[in-house]
Amino acid sequence: GAGVSQSPSNKVTEKGKDVELRCDPISGHTALYWYRQSLGQGLEFLIYFQGNSAPDKSGLPSDRFSAERTGGSVSTLTIQRTQQEDSAVYLCATHGRGVYNEQFFGPGTRLTVL
Amino acid sequence: SQQGEEDPQALSIQEGENATMNCSYKTSINNLQWYRQNSGRGLVHLILIRSNEREKHSGRLRVTLDTSKKSSSLLITASRAADTASYFCATVPYTGANSKLTFGKGITLSVRP
Repeated sequence: GAGVSQSPSNKVTEKGKDVELRCDPISGHTALYWYRQSLGQGLEFLIYFQGNSAPDKSGLPSDRFSAERTGGSVSTLTIQRTQQEDSAVYLCATHGRGVYNEQFFGPGTRLTVL
Repeated sequence: SQQGEEDPQALSIQEGENATMNCSYKTSINNLQWYRQNSGRGLVHLILIRSNEREKHSGRLRVTLDTSKKSSSLLITASRAADTASYFCATVPYTGANSKLTFGKGITLSVRP
């Protein structure tokens, strides 16, 4: 597509439930990042995918968080047993060829854990 | 963890005035980028300046970088009400296998019509 898309745009869930957030990157962009934006922590890096390389998971806050990227395209961020502190806006970003370039962000998914 | 620290945290100006926002960071960088965010959703890339550059312009935007002071400034000239948004600086480390961004806390800019 023309830009990065994310779904759902809003998700309300109950504490303890699992959620899946989806990111559709710009076609041809091999690098994909997930970030989280919350009131207390600001914008934080979560995970990075590049082609077939092993992902950089260094930003994932706990083992309840996982992500995958199938076929080098769509990515899914999964949060298991959600907690109230997981409430945040989850942003996906991609960039084209070349490591040190601008990133293109999706509109984000606002997650609210009750 | 936050790498960049912007100041001021909030800025209110009259339409037509210039807005200057500052950012400081802690570690060596490959480049520094400024992003804008409207209504707490997706970020829009504004401008990127590399560590070997000192100044760049893009339309009404001017960004400077002082690597000796580990600081950057973003100037928006002739501001418009539509410039009202949150602005973030973000750094990319000098070394590393990817260009994950480390963001500052952001500056809220209000431009009064």
